[in-house]
Amino acid sequence: QVVLTQSPSASASLGASVKLSCTLSSGHSSYAVAWHQQQPGKGPRYLMNINSDGSHSKGDGIPGRFSGSSSGAVRYLTISSLQSEDEADYYCQAWGTGIPWVFGGGTKLTVL
Amino acid sequence: EVQLVESGGGLVQPGGSLRLSCAASGFIFNNYWMSWVRQAPGKGLEWVANIKADGSEKYYVDSVKGRFTISRDNAKNSVYLQMNSLRAEDTAIYYCARLFLWGQGTLVSVSS
Repeated sequence: QVVLTQSPSASASLGASVKLSCTLSSGHSSYAVAWHQQQPGKGPRYLMNINSDGSHSKGDGIPGRFSGSSSGAVRYLTISSLQSEDEADYYCQAWGTGIPWVFGGGTKLTVL
Repeated sequence: EVQLVESGGGLVQPGGSLRLSCAASGFIFNNYWMSWVRQAPGKGLEWVANIKADGSEKYYVDSVKGRFTISRDNAKNSVYLQMNSLRAEDTAIYYCARLFLWGQGTLVSVSS
């Protein structure tokens, strides 16, 4: 079964950019990944999904400051022009037909 | 509007039962696999169960096998989670989810 690895925490300054990573376990580098944001006290919100070739599709209403990319077994979420409301937990997710969903452990982003 | 709305959470004693419901709207419900995902206090997201669009396949995380049952009624655009033999470690917010879409969650507390 695929395992997703995320750094537990990240920080960046207001107005800066940050790049969060999600690493797929060995043998699963072709998987697409979805990114979700969870602001404090709220439920998860779908941001985008990223394919192995780096192409990505964002959810409705997701600002252009959010973008995705891919390199080998790593799927990235980049947030530009950081705002205070971007301070949240970010989870990556893998899925497939007829297999369990798998989530990474999440990255807690602090906006300084 | 595309949305998922959960109901049925609450406080239950260990060993008790609870049935969660999720009403879907705004999309063709019987085209999609549906899932339940939970989040224990202060923890990350954990996939619990999913069910195929026609209800013919169901999958569960090992920790709930034999205790939880996922089902759906496509005529009512609804998915359910019957939870029996509840344990303290089942305490969590339970989210109904479709790929790239989340409900707002319902809290299940298991305590004497």
